[in-house]
Order: sequence, then C-alpha cells, then structure tokens
Amino acid sequence: DAEITQSPRHKITETGRQVTLACHQTWNHNNMFWYRQDLGHGLRLIHYSYGVHDTNKGEVSDGYSVSRSNTEDLPLTLESAASSQTSVYFCASSPGGVGYTFGSGTRLTVV
Amino acid sequence: DQQVKQNSPSLSVQEGRISILNCDYTNSMFDYFLWYKKYPAEGPTFLISISSIKDKNEDGRFTVFLNKSAKHLSLHIVPSQPGDSAVYFCAARLGSARQLTFGSGTQLTVLP
Repeated sequence: DAEITQSPRHKITETGRQVTLACHQTWNHNNMFWYRQDLGHGLRLIHYSYGVHDTNKGEVSDGYSVSRSNTEDLPLTLESAASSQTSVYFCASSPGGVGYTFGSGTRLTVV
Repeated sequence: DQQVKQNSPSLSVQEGRISILNCDYTNSMFDYFLWYKKYPAEGPTFLISISSIKDKNEDGRFTVFLNKSAKHLSLHIVPSQPGDSAVYFCAARLGSARQLTFGSGTQLTVLP
C-alpha cells in the first residue's frame, strides 16, 4: 500500500545544531507540504513543493529550508535550531486539488 | 493575521447529541473548504469538504454547512460518538493554489 512516512518520530536536539526531518511518500504525488502544529496556532505552512526541483516558502519559513531532488522525498532542514522551533512537524502530499495525505508527524524538541 | 479562525478551542458534548464545530474565514477568494480530524500521535485525516458553490454537503453522520455571506462554515456530527473525540481542523483553499490554510483547531470531547 502507498504511504507517507516521517522520520524520526521524536527528536531532541541542542540549540544551534542543524537538523533534518525526513518525509517519504510512495503515492507518486507531485505536491508535498511541511506544516508545524503549535497550540493556539493550528497547522501553519512552512514550505511546499509542486514537483521536482520546485520549492516555495510558506507562512513560517524563516529558519527552515527544503529541497526536492525526486518525487518521493521532501526533507525539511532547520539550519540552526532554536527553541522557538520546538513543535510537532507534519508532512503531507497530494496529487493535485486538495486531497492531502498526512504523515504521522515528528515531535522536535530544541533544548 | 489568521485567515481561517476556529474561535472555540474546545467543545464537550454528550454521546448521542449533536456536535457543532464552527469556523470563520476572512478571504472571500477561498473556493474550497475542508475538515480534518486528528487523534493524538497521528497525522490529520480528511473528513469532509465543500465547494464554495454549495451550501451543504453530507456524508453519513457528518454534514458541513457553508454560509458565504457570513464567511462561516460549520461541521455537524449527529449523533456524536465517543470515537469522535479528536481535534478538528477547518481548512481552506485559495483558488488554484494547491496548499491549504488551516484554523487553530477545536478539541471535541464526546462524553459517554
């Protein structure tokens, strides 16, 4: 069965370190998205991609970057982790339109 | 400024009664609206959607109503069941964009 997987499920890192969160989907979807979930803010869009080599900034992109070298993967990199980036991160994909499929999330703690 | 707002962080209802979750939006260019349901430690899952050209969409126990003049939509769950206890997110799409804007979520608790 097709799926979307995120790794790791949990991560603790220190302030200032570079961190990469993985997202891998086997749906062959062109569109991929990264959101963060914070209490009181819901899901906020960080970055998104409409296809290979395409990346776009979302609402809260500062301090994050993505790259899309193939259809299946959209890794999210925190260049220099900050405590404000402690959050739960969700990756999603869609074939087009609005049919998002979400991963199970990565809980990141920056200490 | 949040374009999609869910003003009730939490809602409790008795099993068997109706649950009504509300969502307001500010951008009249949104053309498609969705509700997602999220259990703890899981990703959100799609529940029901509605196009801006409609005012109601029904799927089993779930009905979404859209009032464009008020820029308001609501999700009705009848009858509510304990398994419906989850966080519900309202989301909206802007025209041809493929990304969604989400609200802050409402925690629904259905009491047995």
